[in-house]
Amino acid sequence: GAVVSQHPSRVICKSGTSVKIECRSLDFQATTMFWYRQFPKQSLMLMATSNEGSKATYEQGVEKDKFLINHASLTLSTLTVTSAHPEDSSFYICSAGGGAETQYFGPGTRLLVL
Amino acid sequence: SQQGEEDPQALSIQEGENATMNCSYKTSINNLQWYRQNSGRGLVHLILIRSNEREKHSGRLRVTLDTSKKSSSLLITASRAADTASYFCATRRNTPLVFGKGTRLSVIA
Repeated sequence: GAVVSQHPSRVICKSGTSVKIECRSLDFQATTMFWYRQFPKQSLMLMATSNEGSKATYEQGVEKDKFLINHASLTLSTLTVTSAHPEDSSFYICSAGGGAETQYFGPGTRLLVL
Repeated sequence: SQQGEEDPQALSIQEGENATMNCSYKTSINNLQWYRQNSGRGLVHLILIRSNEREKHSGRLRVTLDTSKKSSSLLITASRAADTASYFCATRRNTPLVFGKGTRLSVIA
């Protein structure tokens, strides 16, 4: 099946710094990628839809200036958490659209902001 | 916004028993999918059932879908300790997948 990778798998940073998370589709091209966030023992919440070559679409309540998304190529989308704070600590998961039915999920990135 | 609501939130059973989890949703869908997530790990796609299907099987998994009630169930038969995980339903209707809150399943050996 299709593979989606994320890097890094885990990151610890100091409050106020920015963190970039990469999401790559390894064996297919993805014009659309999705970013989800998952707090401990909770479900996945869609943050934004990343569109190749255009601006991302953010869900209500997600600050676009804080969570910068860049989808510069058909195989790479990046999520940058700017000026991270402890409340941004979470598990971030990307997925790449595989057509009308399927989304392929990355393994996730655990962010801990101290 | 979250659409699916799983029931129960947590379930603890003995190895060998069957586990049933339910999911309800609010709007019309194209398909409904079930995922498993081990603690702190990524998602594993289990099964997809389309809106015009009523039942689907995959190994020890059985999924039903009742679009009139906007509900689905996931049955895991002959459970194993390795089935211990969180299980999420997710719905799709020309949109990204929308996940329910999940059921935490513990299978005790």
